Amino acid sequence: SYELTQPPSVSVSPGQTASITCSGNKLGNKYACWYQQKPGQSPVLVIYQDIKRPSGIPERFSGSNSGNTATLTISGTQAMDEADYYCQAWDSSTAYVFGTGTKVTVL
Amino acid sequence: QVQLVESGGGVVQPGGSLRLSCEASGFTFNNYGMHWVRQAPGKGLEWVAYIRDDGSNKYYVDSVKGRFTISRDSSKNTLYVQMNSLRAEDTAVYYCAKEGPGGGLGSWGQGTLVTVSS
Repeated sequence: SYELTQPPSVSVSPGQTASITCSGNKLGNKYACWYQQKPGQSPVLVIYQDIKRPSGIPERFSGSNSGNTATLTISGTQAMDEADYYCQAWDSSTAYVFGTGTKVTVL
Repeated sequence: QVQLVESGGGVVQPGGSLRLSCEASGFTFNNYGMHWVRQAPGKGLEWVAYIRDDGSNKYYVDSVKGRFTISRDSSKNTLYVQMNSLRAEDTAVYYCAKEGPGGGLGSWGQGTLVTVSS
C-alpha cells in the first residue's frame, strides 16, 4: 500500500519560514494536496495540485512537489498558522491517502 | 455557501452497525464526488471511502472493505455510510467532505463521533 511520511513536528519563529515535507514513492508523479487543521476544527484545504491555493488562502502558503518529496512552505509564519498539517495524494493501489501529519508550533 | 452536516454518530457495541448521514447544501450535489474521512482520538486523518458524482464508482480503504458501504441519495442531497461489523479501532470522528479543486477535499463537515465500545 502507498504511504506518505511527514515529520511529527516543526517549530518556527514568528515571521520566519516553515517548511513541511511529505515523502512517498515517486510522489512527484502524483498531485499532492495539503490541509490545515486547528484544534477542535475540521481540516481546511490550503494547497491542491502541488502548487495551487484555493480562494481565501493567504499567499504565504505555497507548495512544491518533485521526486519523492512534496513540500508545504509557510512564509512569514504567523501565530494563527499554528496547527496540524496533512499532505494527501491519490495512488492507484490505495486510492486516497493522507500523510502522517505534522504539528507546526510557532514559538 | 457550502454546508455539510453529519449525523448518526453514537456509541455502539463491537460487532454492531451504524449508518452515518451527511446532508449537503449550497452546491449542486449531483456534480461532485464525496468522501468520508475519519480521525481517531488524538490521531491523524484517515481517508475511508469515496463515491463518484453519479454513484457509478466507489472506493474504500482496505480496513473497511466488506464492512462499510458508501452511498448517496441525490433526491435528498445526502451522503451515507453504512458501517457493519464495527470494531474498537473504528472509533473516530467521521467527516464527510466534498470533492474540491484539483481532486482535493475542498469542503468538510463538522464531523460526528462514533464510539465502538462494550
